[in-house]
Amino acid sequence: EVQLLESGGGFVQPGGSLRLSCAASGFTFSNYAMNWVRQAPGKGLEWVSAITGSGGSTYYADSVRGRFTISRDDSESILYLQMNSLRAEDTAVYHCAKVRATVTNYYMDVWGKGTTVTVSS
Amino acid sequence: DIVMTQSPDSLAVSLGERATINCKSSQSVLYSSNNYLAWYQQKPRQPPKLLIHWASTRESGVPDRFSGSGSGTDFTLTISSLQAEDVAVYYCHQYYKTPYTFGQGTKLEIK
Repeated sequence: EVQLLESGGGFVQPGGSLRLSCAASGFTFSNYAMNWVRQAPGKGLEWVSAITGSGGSTYYADSVRGRFTISRDDSESILYLQMNSLRAEDTAVYHCAKVRATVTNYYMDVWGKGTTVTVSS
Repeated sequence: DIVMTQSPDSLAVSLGERATINCKSSQSVLYSSNNYLAWYQQKPRQPPKLLIHWASTRESGVPDRFSGSGSGTDFTLTISSLQAEDVAVYYCHQYYKTPYTFGQGTKLEIK
């Protein structure tokens, strides 16, 4: 069974940092692109970042570019999101999602339950 | 950026009746005969679940009362006979180009 399990969320002050992890199982992790998608409280879905199956290409939403970094460890089947210079508007549940292809312009077929990030003073 | 606009924002339908949700993209998501458009269902306190991809291909295991149609910039998700378990928020999503974007969501309830 394909599973994605996020961790690393928590409470942080504005300007702080967090690193989210997404542990994958049930599929050959290195073969698939991955995304981070967030959902602010009571709001809709917002794509944050994507990384190709090879890890050779990464993409970011304008709202996080220069502050967030997506990466992956294919040997451990883990996806990461390093979040720096956090702002109140980054408060959300962060989901990792598997893409059904090596390239990122494909649909997301499996989502994790998410980890909650709260940015507040 | 490609803006995805869903209508209506909320919808109440009687059990057994048809539910229709529309999604319009600000530019075409059609390329090489493929529409880069997916539909997701999200129930409270759950992650989104893939229903439809390539605008009209039902994901494995999704009941056949769910169907997708449309091309280019105009798309529709139809639930042919609403069941109680279909109460959820539905999102359309374009994966044609970054930034990948979602519609604002349509909340579906039982009348």
